[in-house]
Amino acid sequence: SQTIHQWPATLVQPVGSPLSLECTVEGTSNPNLYWYRQAAGRGLQLLFYSVGIGQISSEVPQNLSASRPQDRQFILSSKKLLLSDSGFYLCAWNLRNTIYFGEGSWLTVV
Amino acid sequence: GEDVEQSLFLSVREGDSSVINCTYTDSSSTYLYWYKQEPGAGLQLLTYIFSNMDMKQDQRLTVLLNKKDKHLSLRIADTQTGDSAIYFCAEMITGYSTLTFGKGTMLLVSP
Repeated sequence: SQTIHQWPATLVQPVGSPLSLECTVEGTSNPNLYWYRQAAGRGLQLLFYSVGIGQISSEVPQNLSASRPQDRQFILSSKKLLLSDSGFYLCAWNLRNTIYFGEGSWLTVV
Repeated sequence: GEDVEQSLFLSVREGDSSVINCTYTDSSSTYLYWYKQEPGAGLQLLTYIFSNMDMKQDQRLTVLLNKKDKHLSLRIADTQTGDSAIYFCAEMITGYSTLTFGKGTMLLVSP
């Protein structure tokens, strides 16, 4: 069966520090992968999605970036975090037009 | 463009039925989804419906789709306290592989 792993689960980072969130999927190959952010107010915002290695589409201009170095690995990064980057980050993958989510990573920028 | 609207809050008593409503604007929607989010957790896919269907039932869950009015509803029968969570409606547009979400409906079930 397919599973999705996301880490770290929680982190507190100072303003201006770098960020790296990692997501891996098991049990499938060539999945579509996504990063969503859920800020206060509960709405989910699509940040990036990828249809293959090295192929990244950005939905929202910001100081975040994403990379897909391997087929089942998706990384969300920032060189310098802002206070407004705080939120709940969710990785997801697509199986036959159904999108499944990881458990999320809570980021607090202080 | 696409937009998904949901009421923000619903309160019911344990044992009652809950109906969570959603409207969407893009008639090109192919798939419509309901996700559940418990506090501090990720999103759990509850059910989905293809746009060529009117209804789908899965145990206590019933999804109704009115394509004419672009209205989607999720009915939870015999609501339990464990059903308390935020419920998100989402749509996937034909030809795309991304979801557009509503802001979520917080369901509070009281004993």
